[in-house]
Amino acid sequence: DQQVKQNSPSLSVQEGRISILNCDYTNSMFDYFLWYKKYPAEGPTFLISISSIKDKNEDGRFTVFLNKSAKHLSLHIVPSQPGDSAVYFCAGPSSGTYKYIFGTGTRLKVLA
Amino acid sequence: DADVTQTPRNRITKTGKRIMLECSQTKGHDRMYWYRQDPGLGLRLIYYSFDVKDINKGEISDGYSVSRQAQAKFSLSLESAIPNQTALYFCATSDTGTATGELFFGEGSRLTVL
Repeated sequence: DQQVKQNSPSLSVQEGRISILNCDYTNSMFDYFLWYKKYPAEGPTFLISISSIKDKNEDGRFTVFLNKSAKHLSLHIVPSQPGDSAVYFCAGPSSGTYKYIFGTGTRLKVLA
Repeated sequence: DADVTQTPRNRITKTGKRIMLECSQTKGHDRMYWYRQDPGLGLRLIYYSFDVKDINKGEISDGYSVSRQAQAKFSLSLESAIPNQTALYFCATSDTGTATGELFFGEGSRLTVL
């Protein structure tokens, strides 16, 4: 089964700077990866996705990069804002299905 | 009103009790999921259902059961709750018509087993 790993449990960034959140995976069989954002006392909400046929997808301040040879993806937030402080999860499909496996999450704190 | 509604939002129970967490959705999606979140472990898949007659085990199904009563309803049961089932539980749905299969989550049910 697909394994998705987020090796940094937390990250602190100054407001206005770039936040980079990383995710590694072990299986090459996928169609999409997804990023979710989660605030305390709320359910995760979808942020951005990337297809396996692309190496970059951008949506406003959020850009996801995919490096297939390294089995690595990253989420860039530029410029970071205090409201971006949340836990971010990357997720990949297991066995090519719509059964998503999530990483352990990275808690981002943007300092004003 | 939320598109994916979970009840109860908070529950404290004792070891050995039977607990049911309920999920209903108004999004019209066929696929429904139950995840649990634990500190440091992220979101782990318990069970999922791709339509009313389909039930599948996820990563951590032991100690849990589910029922898909209708397209819009998917409930999770703990037949005999134990303390290590204390966690935040999320229901999610996804649409068969989207390429990504993006998940839509409920607000969560916090369960404490004493």
